[in-house]
Amino acid sequence: QSALTQPASVSGSPGQSITISCTGTSSDVGGYNYVSWYQQHPGKAPKLMIYEVSNRPSGVSNRFSGSKSGNTASLTISGLQAEDEADYYCSSYTSSSTPWVFGGGTKLTVL
Amino acid sequence: EVQLVQSGAEVKKPGESLKISCKGSGYSFTSYWIGWVRQMPGKGLEWMGIIYPGDSDTRYSPSFQGQVTISADKSISTAYLQWSSLKASDTAMYYCVRLESTHFDYWGQGTLVTVSS
Repeated sequence: QSALTQPASVSGSPGQSITISCTGTSSDVGGYNYVSWYQQHPGKAPKLMIYEVSNRPSGVSNRFSGSKSGNTASLTISGLQAEDEADYYCSSYTSSSTPWVFGGGTKLTVL
Repeated sequence: EVQLVQSGAEVKKPGESLKISCKGSGYSFTSYWIGWVRQMPGKGLEWMGIIYPGDSDTRYSPSFQGQVTISADKSISTAYLQWSSLKASDTAMYYCVRLESTHFDYWGQGTLVTVSS
């Protein structure tokens, strides 16, 4: 069982917005602003999309945004495009014995 | 340009040893932690451990402590992940990642390890 909880799947139509949640505890998501999000297309390596809750790396579309409330972080993708169809993983620093943890991943389907 | 280039796919038998590599370029290799992430077939990402090549300080996830060894050779800007006795359950894609203080900003292309008799 993953340390961070994500929905297994979400879906949306082109142009719509979707939100993926990532729920942890006060020892990880809630305790630090060190949540990051990664996009993984089939057969490819993951790619950093959001870091430190809401920051976008250079080159990442501003359609991707992140936020956090309490022990839950969220990734929102607006103006859905077919190319956004992928798996998305959250990650957080944690004060537990393993300093970094991932969520179980969410499969985004663009209808 | 920052790059992490991993060694090629491996096919091994149970009980065999293996060492895979990750060569960093385009940045100061000794100034950033390098981690390893496992992805079993059809499954999610699992953080295995991390090393600081500058002084070889190494941390392991409890799930992988004692199961693998992480090392680095800063003279050739390369990090390693090794097994002394592979099991079928080690079959997975393994990624090396660079830790930029709070997040993993660069990923290697992955090394597929297949363990089968």
